[in-house]
Amino acid sequence: AQSVTQPDIHITVSEGASLELRCNYSYGATPYLFWYVQSPGQGLQLLLKYFSGDTLVQGIKGFEAEFKRSQSSFNLRKPSVHWSDAAEYFCAVQGAQKLVFGQGTRLTINP
Amino acid sequence: DTGVSQDPRHKITKRGQNVTFRCDPISEHNRLYWYRQTLGQGPEFLTYFQNEAQLEKSRLLSDRFSAERPKGSFSTLEIQRTEQGDSAMYLCASSLWGVGANVLTFGAGSRLTVL
Repeated sequence: AQSVTQPDIHITVSEGASLELRCNYSYGATPYLFWYVQSPGQGLQLLLKYFSGDTLVQGIKGFEAEFKRSQSSFNLRKPSVHWSDAAEYFCAVQGAQKLVFGQGTRLTINP
Repeated sequence: DTGVSQDPRHKITKRGQNVTFRCDPISEHNRLYWYRQTLGQGPEFLTYFQNEAQLEKSRLLSDRFSAERPKGSFSTLEIQRTEQGDSAMYLCASSLWGVGANVLTFGAGSRLTVL
């Protein structure tokens, strides 16, 4: 069965610093991979997705992610974070008919 | 396109009561999903519909839970005889299956608190 591991439960970075959130997946076939963001009390908003082709995908709000098949990873990056990026971030893999999510990484931004 | 709507946004109930949540998907979407999210966890799959047919149910969906999508449009999720362990955020999502990739659009969620 497919699964997603986000090793970092909580990350704190300073505003303007770079960011990398880790995601490792387990899936037998070529995965469809997603990153969603959730602000407090809100639903999930799609940041970006990978289906095939270029392994570096661009998303909204200046985020990007790189698919590395050899490492079963799909890490999310941003060169310079803003205070408004503070939120919960979820990596997900599409298995048979449904999304399977990781536990999430809570991002705190220091001013 | 008004997105995915969920109602109510918050529900506080006493243990043993029944509650019902409603989800209105994006109108042209043929799939509708229900997920449950507890504090500090990622969303967990509960069930999904393609049009009006319920195609899969998770083991998390005990017999106290029932979901319907009677006309292939809106859906309801009912929890009977609520327990404190049912306290969670219930998320609905919809997608257009069969046209390219299956990208889920989520609603804002319905938060349930069982006292």
